[in-house]
Amino acid sequence: SQQGEEDPQALSIQEGENATMNCSYKTSINNLQWYRQNSGRGLVHLILIRSNEREKHSGRLRVTLDTSKKSSSLLITASRAADTASYFCATDAQGAQKLVFGQGTRLTINP
Amino acid sequence: DTAVSQTPKYLVTQMGNDKSIKCEQNLGHDTMYWYKQDSKKFLKIMFSYNNKELIINETVPNRFSPKSPDKAHLNLHINSLELGDSAVYFCASSWDNGGTDTQYFGPGTRLTVL
Repeated sequence: SQQGEEDPQALSIQEGENATMNCSYKTSINNLQWYRQNSGRGLVHLILIRSNEREKHSGRLRVTLDTSKKSSSLLITASRAADTASYFCATDAQGAQKLVFGQGTRLTINP
Repeated sequence: DTAVSQTPKYLVTQMGNDKSIKCEQNLGHDTMYWYKQDSKKFLKIMFSYNNKELIINETVPNRFSPKSPDKAHLNLHINSLELGDSAVYFCASSWDNGGTDTQYFGPGTRLTVL
């Protein structure tokens, strides 16, 4: 069964606004990763946050992790049209030896 | 240079045929993967190999047979193709197996079975 579930499934905002996507998971993890997928392309890694970290930044990206709630959020600040893509969280359930992906949030940035 | 490459990018074939998808990575990674992404964008792991050794076989029908001739290549052969095999197949690689490391994805192969 799916480990991660993203919320919302789709998000449409105006350029310049901030976009927040959430991910919930079910079992204990070592780390959680966020990936971006542009239409018709492969996934691109954005950021990895370990289970002992609470927040991580990379450019306009901010990721938080709350292991007590088994949830993570990805914030994209000052969105641009080029941020239009699907965003996936992925977790490595402890002992599972694999990444398990959620269904993704489809983000549309309107110019 | 493309880090993870797949061929072909598109594959259209008839039910019952046998087809192969090739994957190569030039990152020097030890682990390679095959994922299947369905029409709802759900991405599911199929296989992983570490240094040519099968690590994960995720309850995939035995019509699917991965082959890793060396640690830079992981090919996927599919026998007796069925309509439900239509999907996008992604190859990926990483240094470590187990999901603890960043994975690098290929551009995908869109398989359409008619």
